[in-house]
Amino acid sequence: EVQLVQSGAEVKKPGESLKISCKGSGYSFTSYWIGWVRQMPGKGLEWMGIIYPGDSDTRYSPSFQGQVTISADKSISTAYLQWSSLKASDTAMYYCARVTGGSGSYYRNWGQGTLVTVSS
Amino acid sequence: DIQMTQSPSSLSASVGDRVTITCRASQSISSYLNWYQQKPGKAPKLLIYAASSLQSGVPSRFSGSGSGTDFTLTISSLQPEDFATYYCQQSYSTLHTFGQGTKLEIK
Repeated sequence: EVQLVQSGAEVKKPGESLKISCKGSGYSFTSYWIGWVRQMPGKGLEWMGIIYPGDSDTRYSPSFQGQVTISADKSISTAYLQWSSLKASDTAMYYCARVTGGSGSYYRNWGQGTLVTVSS
Repeated sequence: DIQMTQSPSSLSASVGDRVTITCRASQSISSYLNWYQQKPGKAPKLLIYAASSLQSGVPSRFSGSGSGTDFTLTISSLQPEDFATYYCQQSYSTLHTFGQGTKLEIK
């Protein structure tokens, strides 16, 4: 069974750094892209970027390029989303998802979400 | 970037109604269009991929159609568990943008 398990909720102060994780199991982690999606409180889904753990090829939405870093450690089947300096506006739920399909991809398997709260 | 626009943004309907949600892409995306359902506090759930392919386990009252720039999600007979928010997503480009969502509420 494919599973994506995300790290737990975080409460941080503005300016702090943070790295959240998404551990995949039940499939070949290096063979599927992993995507990250933001959902701000009461708002819609925003696509942030994707990574191919096999070679760490990464693509970012222009809205998030330079604001976050997506990475992966294939030795432990884990993808990461990190911030070097958090802002209050980074407060949101963050989901990872496994990208299935080649051209015409879709997100069949999702993590449970990690809630990040940034407040002074 | 390819922009995805859903309409309506919200919709009130009754159990048993037939409901259609529309998604329009800012350029042609062939059939690379997915639909998701999200309930409060839960991760999104894939309903339809490649515009019209029903994900395994999803009830047959859900259907998708369209190609190019205009797509629809239809629920043939609303059930109580269908009241949720629905999102379209394009995967034609590398940047898999979502629509803004359509909230389906009970009338």
